[in-house]
Amino acid sequence: DAGVTQSPTHLIKTRGQQVTLRCSPKSGHDTVSWYQQALGQGPQFIFQYYEEEERQRGNFPDRFSGHQFPNYSSELNVNALLLGDSALYLCASSLRYQETQYFGPGTRLLVL
Amino acid sequence: AQTVTQSQPEMSVQEAETVTLSCTYDTSESDYYLFWYKQPPSRQMILVIRQEAYKQQNATENRFSVNFQKAAKSFSLKISDSQLGDAAMYFCAYSYQGGSEKLVFGKGTKLTVNP
Repeated sequence: DAGVTQSPTHLIKTRGQQVTLRCSPKSGHDTVSWYQQALGQGPQFIFQYYEEEERQRGNFPDRFSGHQFPNYSSELNVNALLLGDSALYLCASSLRYQETQYFGPGTRLLVL
Repeated sequence: AQTVTQSQPEMSVQEAETVTLSCTYDTSESDYYLFWYKQPPSRQMILVIRQEAYKQQNATENRFSVNFQKAAKSFSLKISDSQLGDAAMYFCAYSYQGGSEKLVFGKGTKLTVNP
């Protein structure tokens, strides 16, 4: 049973660039959530996708956008990168209306 | 807004001993879910244990158990017979409706296990 997978594992970008991170949910899951984890902090909720639509959004600017595909996989896009966007980006999947979210290994983004 | 507070940035325990990690939360809801996640240096966030607020019985998973005090909004994690592999960051998290709602995390507690 494949768990949540994310790609790439590491990424280095420069300020002003754009980045796309990818996530494949655990088999059978239909809901994908994205979190940003700054160094030494707990994860912060960015947004959640279900049925290819953004269902909830945390306190993140419009530079952060996403997409969910018919196979339930998801992308996180960040435009006009800032130094402060350097973080671990975690994807979590779940089955709608069940209580547990399962996390992928994350993508470490460094913005120089 | 819901908040989760972990007041112990770091804890240490001797191998085979017992340690308790603290967590308090704030919510106006009566039904919700609470979780403990473990994040080792490999970064993968792993579910340790979960508790449904409507259940009075404390959850247990092998060496891991919780002390859920709903009135006090407290949710502590007890690790018995600590093992070297338990060393990690531990995050307490709250969710209003589980899988279809966001998780709100605390700042974490770094657990060191001494041989």
